[in-house]
Amino acid sequence: GNSVTQMEGPVTLSEEAFLTINCTYTATGYPSLFWYVQYPGEGLQLLLKATKADDKGSNKGFEATYRKETTSFHLEKGSVQVSDSAVYFCALNTGNQFYFGTGTSLTVIP
Amino acid sequence: DAGVIQSPRHEVTEMGQEVTLRCKPISGHDYLFWYRQTMMRGLELLIYFNNNVPIDDSGMPEDRFSAKMPNASFSTLKIQPSEPRDSAVYFCASSFYLYGGHTEAFFGQGTRLTVV
Repeated sequence: GNSVTQMEGPVTLSEEAFLTINCTYTATGYPSLFWYVQYPGEGLQLLLKATKADDKGSNKGFEATYRKETTSFHLEKGSVQVSDSAVYFCALNTGNQFYFGTGTSLTVIP
Repeated sequence: DAGVIQSPRHEVTEMGQEVTLRCKPISGHDYLFWYRQTMMRGLELLIYFNNNVPIDDSGMPEDRFSAKMPNASFSTLKIQPSEPRDSAVYFCASSFYLYGGHTEAFFGQGTRLTVV
């Protein structure tokens, strides 16, 4: 079946620290992979995506590379800001529905 | 496009009452999803439609929940009768399928339902 496993939070970092949120997946076929971000009181927003192996998605300083050999799509950012505090969701789609991870809460302190 | 539009943004109702949540997907999108989000259970897929046809409703918790999509621009999620354990944020999302894969899912702002 299809599923996404992401590292559990909460994660607390100091401003300008390096961020990694791990995400691994199980999928039939060739999934597209996504990272979404949710700010308090809002819906999920697409942060970045990759549609095939070795693609790198990037946006707002965040990056993730589609690794087929390790079935992973880890989210990274070199220097986090207080404004990055949010919940991050890893997701996949193989053609019909989307499969979401459980979300990782990130808090960045000044 | 204004994005996925949900209404109401907030709903407070008494146990036993009927609740109807509404969603307008992005024009041209052929998939529509209803999700429920709670602290305890996270983000759960309730049901999704393709070209207005329900494809998978296995996530609908029980018969009190029903969803319809009478046309490509409107969907409803109804709870009758409502119970306190239905309190959650309900999201609608839409996407469209391109050869080789989906676009991303576009989410609405959600409806925060409180059943007292």
